[in-house]
Amino acid sequence: EVQLVESGGVVVQPGGSLRLSCAASGFTFDDYSMHWVRQAPGKGLEWVSLIYWDGRSTYYADSVKGRFTISRDNTRNSLYLQMNSLKTEDSAIYYCAREPSNIGYQYFHSWGQGTLVTVSS
Amino acid sequence: DIVMTQSPDSLSVSLGERAAINCKSSQSLLYTPNNKNYLAWYQQKPGQPPKLLIYWASTRESGVPDRFSGSGSGTDFTLTISSLQAEDVAVYYCQQYYSTPLTFGGGTKVEIK
Repeated sequence: EVQLVESGGVVVQPGGSLRLSCAASGFTFDDYSMHWVRQAPGKGLEWVSLIYWDGRSTYYADSVKGRFTISRDNTRNSLYLQMNSLKTEDSAIYYCAREPSNIGYQYFHSWGQGTLVTVSS
Repeated sequence: DIVMTQSPDSLSVSLGERAAINCKSSQSLLYTPNNKNYLAWYQQKPGQPPKLLIYWASTRESGVPDRFSGSGSGTDFTLTISSLQAEDVAVYYCQQYYSTPLTFGGGTKVEIK
């Protein structure tokens, strides 16, 4: 069974930094590209970032480009999101999500339960 | 960026009745070399992550009840619940995966009348 477990969400001040983690199990992690998707309280879904299976290619939403960095450690079956220069509008539940196959079709077959990031002074 | 527009924002339907949610993209999601529409639908219940319902615009994910169906091509798509059940109360989102940035519709809240 596919399991994705996010962690690292806390309350942080504007301008601060935070690193989110996603522990993956139940599948061959390094076969799949992985994503971060966020959801502000009471709002819709927003795609944040993508990293290919081998970590060599990454993509970002314009809203986080230059501030967030996605990475992965395939030896630890883990996905990360380094978040710098945080803004209040980054407050959201952050989900890690897996693509359906290793072919690279970018919809989201499996989701974690999410971790809540609150940016507030 | 491809803009996804869903309508209506909310929908109130009697149990057993049909519910239809529309999703329009700002450019075609049909990739002609493989004749596939790069459009997915998700269901999100309160306090839960989204759940994949439909991909390729009309392919039902394994385990999804057959009262859920997807249709459409190009820029106009519809998610239909043929006979609404109490457990279908949720917010539904469409998502395009034709190009990055990946984008979602704003969501449609489905309630029981």
